[in-house]
Amino acid sequence: DAKTTQPTSMDCAEGRAANLPCNHSTISGNEYVYWYRQIHSQGPQYIIHGLKNNETNEMASLIITEDRKSSTLILPHATLRDTAVYYCIVRVEYGGSQGNLIFGKGTKLSVKP
Amino acid sequence: NAGVTQTPKFRVLKTGQSMTLLCAQDMNHEYMYWYRQDPGMGLRLIHYSVGEGTTAKGEVPDGYNVSRLKKQNFLLGLESAAPSQTSVYFCASSQGRGYTFGSGTRLTVV
Repeated sequence: DAKTTQPTSMDCAEGRAANLPCNHSTISGNEYVYWYRQIHSQGPQYIIHGLKNNETNEMASLIITEDRKSSTLILPHATLRDTAVYYCIVRVEYGGSQGNLIFGKGTKLSVKP
Repeated sequence: NAGVTQTPKFRVLKTGQSMTLLCAQDMNHEYMYWYRQDPGMGLRLIHYSVGEGTTAKGEVPDGYNVSRLKKQNFLLGLESAAPSQTSVYFCASSQGRGYTFGSGTRLTVV
């Protein structure tokens, strides 16, 4: 079973920031938080990951709470092309079955004009 | 650099027929994975491999077999297809961190 809890769906206005929450209260000390997205039946796409510090790349920012029990993915200026299902996944970085990506149902983000 | 390539992209099988899905990666990744995705659901892991010559079961392995004879290829076999195996199949590869996924194979079993 997935170790994360995400809202089923969210809406965001085009050009505004999209903030996608994720709860992972049972996360272990060696598990990372990963975010992927899947745009309409395409293969999932890696977005960002982090352990305990906040992370930023060209696609998004990841904010992880100090106790690591929750995180937020931020798309700073959402566009219509960001409409997708967003998956929050916790996993160890390396090592056999514990490193496998286990997907939940994710959050369906709809960006509206 | 093609990344992860899946063949075929679409296939229709009759119940009881067999087939093999091919996944090829050109990134020299050690780890490879097969997932299936049913409507309205997230991806579920079928089988995976942590290196050439190795395979292991995932969440939903029943009815499938896999082989990893070459590092760059990971084959998924259906020996006797059933309608319950109608799904979209995704292959992925990884070197530990981010996964790279293929574009999927849409399989219908009638």
